[in-house]
Amino acid sequence: DQQVKQNSPSLSVQEGRISILNCDYTNSMFDYFLWYKKYPAEGPTFLISISSIKDKNEDGRFTVFLNKSAKHLSLHIVPSQPGDSAVYFCAASARGGSNYKLTFGKGTLLTVNP
Amino acid sequence: EAGVTQSPTHLIKTRGQQVTLRCSPISGHTSVYWYQQALGLGLQFLLWYDEGEERNRGNFPPRFSGRQFPNYSSELNVNALELEDSALYLCASSYSQDQPQHFGDGTRLSIL
Repeated sequence: DQQVKQNSPSLSVQEGRISILNCDYTNSMFDYFLWYKKYPAEGPTFLISISSIKDKNEDGRFTVFLNKSAKHLSLHIVPSQPGDSAVYFCAASARGGSNYKLTFGKGTLLTVNP
Repeated sequence: EAGVTQSPTHLIKTRGQQVTLRCSPISGHTSVYWYQQALGLGLQFLLWYDEGEERNRGNFPPRFSGRQFPNYSSELNVNALELEDSALYLCASSYSQDQPQHFGDGTRLSIL
């Protein structure tokens, strides 16, 4: 049962344009969502997070949108840069319990072309 | 601020052997998490340690175990290694459930 889904295995965009990465979840108990970026041979790097009490969070070029009714979140990168090329993972958790953990999607490979 | 450090970076073992992986969290972080990233399966939660206690465990057999030391560093032990244990093992740490987890670069374990 895949509770966090990233349906696009890959995405290719031009430098300077917007990259939009999508993520869907099924567990209504999730209340904290995160995006990580991963380069080959490195661990995931935290990018941005959002709590379920918000619908938007911005940090520089990165914005995460949360639509709780649709159980959908997205990461917008504007403008996209070649150095953004990496695998992006969406993750979700239900905080406050003894069974706390991060549940990850399978990732989307973003390629930003110069 | 030093990040999460893991050792060794690479390891080659044979079926049936045992292995110990090590993790040092970011200073001040009391929670340590272990994840497995096998080919094509994404990151799968293994274990969560906080204040020296195991708090949660993922859907893995008992031959996967670990511990957390008083200085909050952690070990992951895998007994009776099987071919499907070949994976990248990632350790993460955080202050609390309300803060993001930060990851190390992992240990690449290959089983021959």
